[in-house]
Formats: sequence, C-alpha cells, structure tokens
Amino acid sequence: QKEVEQNSGPLSVPEGAIASLNCTYSDRGSQSFFWYRQYSGKSPELIMFIYSNGDKEDGRFTAQLNKASQYVSLLIRDSQPSDSATYLCAGGLWGNTPLVFGKGTRLSVIA
Amino acid sequence: NAGVTQTPKFQVLKTGQSMTLQCAQDMNHNSMYWYRQDPGMGLRLIYYSASEGTTDKGEVPNGYNVSRLNKREFSLRLESAAPSQTSVYFCASSTEANYGYTFGSGTRLTVV
Repeated sequence: QKEVEQNSGPLSVPEGAIASLNCTYSDRGSQSFFWYRQYSGKSPELIMFIYSNGDKEDGRFTAQLNKASQYVSLLIRDSQPSDSATYLCAGGLWGNTPLVFGKGTRLSVIA
Repeated sequence: NAGVTQTPKFQVLKTGQSMTLQCAQDMNHNSMYWYRQDPGMGLRLIYYSASEGTTDKGEVPNGYNVSRLNKREFSLRLESAAPSQTSVYFCASSTEANYGYTFGSGTRLTVV
C-alpha cells in the first residue's frame, strides 16, 4: 500500500514566522512530489513540485526533498494570515500513474 | 480559459437514485481523474483515465462507473446512491508527464 503521511495539525504559527510542513512517503519508487494548498470549501491548487533531492525555492515557498529518508517538506517564510489553509502533500511515479495524497496539514497563521 | 469544469456544484440525492457527475477540461490534457474527499480521509482516487479510451480503478471504485467520452470529458456515474457516498467529489486533469493536477471546483453530494 503506497502511503503519504502528514501530521494533521493544526499547526499554528505567528504572522511573519516560518511555517514548516512535513511529509513522508512509503514508496521508494516515487519520483515526483507536489504541494497543494486547499482553502476551506475550495479545491486544491498547486503550489510547488519537486523531483530532485535538495531545495527548490519559489518566492516565499521552499520545497525540500530527501529521497534517502523518504521525506518532503514545505517551508513558508514570512507567513501571512492568508496562508491559513490545509496543505496537501502528494507523491507519484513518472508518467500517468495517479498521485497518492496525504490527508493534509491544517495551517493557521495568527495575526 | 476555464480549466477543469465540474457540474453540478451541489446535489442532494435520495438513497437508490442515480446521477452522473460531469467533468470537462480545455487544456488538452491526456489524463483525467476522479477523487472523493471526506473529513479525515484525504483525497481518495475513485477512477482515472490515463488517455482517451482507457479507464482504470482507483482505491475506492465500488458503487461508481466512469466514461471517458472524448479527450475533454470524463464522467462519473452513481448507479444507486448510498449515504456512504456523501462526499465532495473532485475531477482533475494532467499532462502525460504529470507535472501536477489541475482540479475542478468540486461537487458537494449529499445522499439522504
């Protein structure tokens, strides 16, 4: 059974702080990893994807991948109340294989 | 540019009724997916279509059928709705290389 595990939270951080969201996966064959943000009552939207070990930065967001430890993380710098949402981690193989999603971590940024 | 369009947005069914959820994408994506999302359960794959003319079961296919009508459209049918199928249903699409999904806005289904 391929699984992606996330702490359900809630994770509470003060405005301006760094939020750190973590995810582990069970399938060593997984090659691609995605972070989605989902506001309450809305559909998931893609924030970032990462394929290679190391860090990938996009604005205030940094994704980190460690394939040896089967670990993916998302750092949000200068957190804003508008970042309050559920963050979904997903992993998959190359090609058309469907992604496997974690259950999500709820982030609350306190003003 | 509409992306992925799902209809209807809300639906209430009585147990035993049937209905079809519609999904269409205008991004020329090859792959399409149906997920359901329940509190505490995350997104679970119901069926997917890797390309036009193919469909495959996902994690929770029982009670559902799908049709990939053409490259743009992928429908999900509930033949005899049950209260356990009360959920939010999301359709998604992606390119062959799977650089991530684009999701539709979802259908909130209640079966009473």
